[in-house]
Amino acid sequence: EDQVTQSPEALRLQEGESSSLNCSYTVSGLRGLFWYRQDPGKGPEFLFTLYSAGEEKEKERLKATLTKKESFLHITAPKPEDSATYLCAYAGGTSYGKLTFGQGTILTVHP
Amino acid sequence: GAVVSQHPSWVICKSGTSVKIECRSLDFQATTMFWYRQFPKQSLMLMATSNEGSKATYEQGVEKDKFLINHASLTLSTLTVTSAHPEDSSFYICSARAQGPMNTEAFFGQGTRLTVV
Repeated sequence: EDQVTQSPEALRLQEGESSSLNCSYTVSGLRGLFWYRQDPGKGPEFLFTLYSAGEEKEKERLKATLTKKESFLHITAPKPEDSATYLCAYAGGTSYGKLTFGQGTILTVHP
Repeated sequence: GAVVSQHPSWVICKSGTSVKIECRSLDFQATTMFWYRQFPKQSLMLMATSNEGSKATYEQGVEKDKFLINHASLTLSTLTVTSAHPEDSSFYICSARAQGPMNTEAFFGQGTRLTVV
């Protein structure tokens, strides 16, 4: 059965303390592994799409990587404004664009 | 990134009434739109997939007669919650995928908070 599992469920960091969020997946015919940021009461904001193992993408303090079994979202020197829920999702099979989401990691960055 | 607009942002309705939520792709044509529901402290659960000009495909356990989806144009999809009840109170989010058979990226609206009283 295709699925994604995110860990940890919650992560508390001090400002400037770098860390990583994990998204483990078992998906047949992966067509994309996605990372989104969601603020309370808002829709998910697109961050990255990764398509193949070994791929890496960066945006400001965030870097996403992909292996054959998992994806990491690395946060370098986080700031309080990086506090949010980070969601990973996959698209697989023949249903392009249909995303299945993990449970998310709630990130809190303290000043 | 592409912009998806959802309206209204929040709505309160009486039990038994119907509520319509609109989802528009503002700067691209969306052949496919998706509707999700999110309960507090939970992740997004896909409700249905709609393709322009055809009937929506509902996920298992989602009542198609209760959640009516119309995708009449390449920029607009609507979700109507019929005969709403308090248990339908939730955060509803749409997403839209641009045209192209290999395009997997989807962009999300800002969500609609539905409260049924």
